[in-house]
Amino acid sequence: KNEVEQSPQNLTAQEGEFITINCSYSVGISALHWLQQHPGGGIVSLFMLSSGKKKHGRLIATINIQEKHSSLHITASHPRDSAVYICAVEGGETSGSRLTFGEGTQLTVNP
Amino acid sequence: NAGVTQTPKFQVLKTGQSMTLQCAQDMNHNSMYWYRQDPGMGLRLIYYSASEGTTDKGEVPNGYNVSRLNKREFSLRLESAAPSQTSVYFCASSEAGPGDLYYGYTFGSGTRLTVV
Repeated sequence: KNEVEQSPQNLTAQEGEFITINCSYSVGISALHWLQQHPGGGIVSLFMLSSGKKKHGRLIATINIQEKHSSLHITASHPRDSAVYICAVEGGETSGSRLTFGEGTQLTVNP
Repeated sequence: NAGVTQTPKFQVLKTGQSMTLQCAQDMNHNSMYWYRQDPGMGLRLIYYSASEGTTDKGEVPNGYNVSRLNKREFSLRLESAAPSQTSVYFCASSEAGPGDLYYGYTFGSGTRLTVV
């Protein structure tokens, strides 16, 4: 079983919809990261969370440490949000700063 | 622009050839990493360097070697390329912060390597 599980694997939405991507992990962690990978392949860090909630523009990330679960929400989705969203945890079975990644969620937002 | 620079962006090798992927960061980060990304799998750590002068194996180190040349540069070498090493390779860096957390994870743009 992977240490980091994301759902759904694929998600198609209409422009304007509210989107939620989930991430569950099975080990103790020091932090959780949400990353975005665009079709060109570049990876951008969106959030790093160790507790609570963070917001940046239309993106909101939450984490529940007790339940070992995090969600990434996108409000008022737009076609430019189409990308792969990746959850990664820091700590856990590995030590220090190394990240363990989920397989990613492919999001497609149609106009 | 500040960030992580990887070269080359694309490379095709024949089985048995060798090559070195270069990575440099200008953010004064202590930690650097090499990951590979394969279809249907999350990124997997090949090697990492917690600080200048140290390197450690990650999850999939076989067939690779690394050199932390200085604080800025961390190279990945394939001594004898195999088709199983066909992948997209990402270099990344980060910096330690308070509370044993690491900040500023920054990724390079990736190297798409094909071994035929």
